[in-house]
Amino acid sequence: AQSVSQHNHHVILSEAASLELGCNYSYGGTVNLFWYVQYPGQHLQLLLKYFSGDPLVKGIKGFEAEFIKSKFSFNLRKPSVQWSDTAEYFCAVNAPNDYKLSFGAGTTVTVRA
Amino acid sequence: GAVVSQHPSWVICKSGTSVKIECRSLDFQATTMFWYRQFPKQSLMLMATSNEGSKATYEQGVEKDKFLINHASLTLSTLTVTSAHPEDSSFYICSAIQGNGYTFGSGTRLTVV
Repeated sequence: AQSVSQHNHHVILSEAASLELGCNYSYGGTVNLFWYVQYPGQHLQLLLKYFSGDPLVKGIKGFEAEFIKSKFSFNLRKPSVQWSDTAEYFCAVNAPNDYKLSFGAGTTVTVRA
Repeated sequence: GAVVSQHPSWVICKSGTSVKIECRSLDFQATTMFWYRQFPKQSLMLMATSNEGSKATYEQGVEKDKFLINHASLTLSTLTVTSAHPEDSSFYICSAIQGNGYTFGSGTRLTVV
């Protein structure tokens, strides 16, 4: 089974600052990787996903993530955050032949205006 | 886009009573749905996989007699927490596979008093 580790529990930053959230997974085989965002009171929404191909993935709202296979990492980045990026961010992984998603513990991002 | 509607969004019940949570796919058919439980500041933990027309598959450590799952149609899965106790208080989230991704319900906050 896969496990997912998110390094930061809570990140606080100012508007226009750059954001990077760490995500590492433990699984020896091929994986699909996801980043989800959960705004206060809302459902989880997909930011981006990686199945194969270019390891630099661009998602919605200016987010991107880079898959580094040698480091088992899939870190999320945004060059300049906005107040509206305040939310909970979850990294998730599954194996291509398994629909079950394994989630990280989540990172709360607070952006100060 | 694909929408999963989850009801109720919050519920308070007395110890010993049962609570039913519904998860509906509004504009697509969901052969498979997933039920997660999320504790504060923790990850989403998969409880069970719900398959239309067959028995649910429960994850290790989840009491199937306590968390009854029914997936009687391609658009509806229900989770019934039977004989609820305060330790069952949590945030429950359903999701459905749609295409090559997942769509999540908005979650149900269960408080058992």
